[in-house]
Amino acid sequence: QSVLTQPPSVSGAPGQRVTISCTGSFSNIGANYDVHWYQQLPGTAPKLLIYGNINRPSGVPDRFSGSKSGTSASLAITGLQAEDEADYYCQSYDSSLSGVVFGGGTKLTVL
Amino acid sequence: QITLKESGPTLVKPKQTLTLTCTFSGFSLTTGGVGVGWIRQPPGKALEWLALIYWDDDEWYSPSLKSRLTITKDTSKNQVVLTVTNMDPVDTATYYCAHELSTGIYFDYWGQGTLVTVSS
Repeated sequence: QSVLTQPPSVSGAPGQRVTISCTGSFSNIGANYDVHWYQQLPGTAPKLLIYGNINRPSGVPDRFSGSKSGTSASLAITGLQAEDEADYYCQSYDSSLSGVVFGGGTKLTVL
Repeated sequence: QITLKESGPTLVKPKQTLTLTCTFSGFSLTTGGVGVGWIRQPPGKALEWLALIYWDDDEWYSPSLKSRLTITKDTSKNQVVLTVTNMDPVDTATYYCAHELSTGIYFDYWGQGTLVTVSS
């Protein structure tokens, strides 16, 4: 049971927009700790996709965007492409646990 | 550029102690704000954070595994070592080390990971 809750799977057709939610609590996202997102392509290490809720590292397409409100955050992917098919994880800090927490991951399928 | 690489045994027996080494380049663990963390991922499952060590020797551990984990650093060798005691088959996972900046508490560079199997 992950501290941050994500839907197990989402899907969309090429060109569509999908969103992935990340729900936390008042000891992590709700405590104003930043949310970060990672993309994990099959058989590879995770890659930082979004940091500080809304920021993209250099090289990440602007099709990827993040947002945060209250005790939740979201990752949006527009103009879906086949290469976006991957697992996506949210991550934050939890003050009750005094440590880093990850979501359970969401598998994105491009139909 | 920043790179990290994990090394260690691929197979350990139950009850043994696992020692993993993260060798990095492109940054120094003597620079303020810099940290190196360990994260693991059982086959087909989610990421799980294990431990973090910072430039100032501050150590953070996952509460659920704290009693079994030790993280240390050797700045002269650009290495961070994680030991996990009393290994169990449920500890079978790919173990990753990653670079972290305390300004944001996120991992911006990751190693390729190393799969550790626990079996007799």
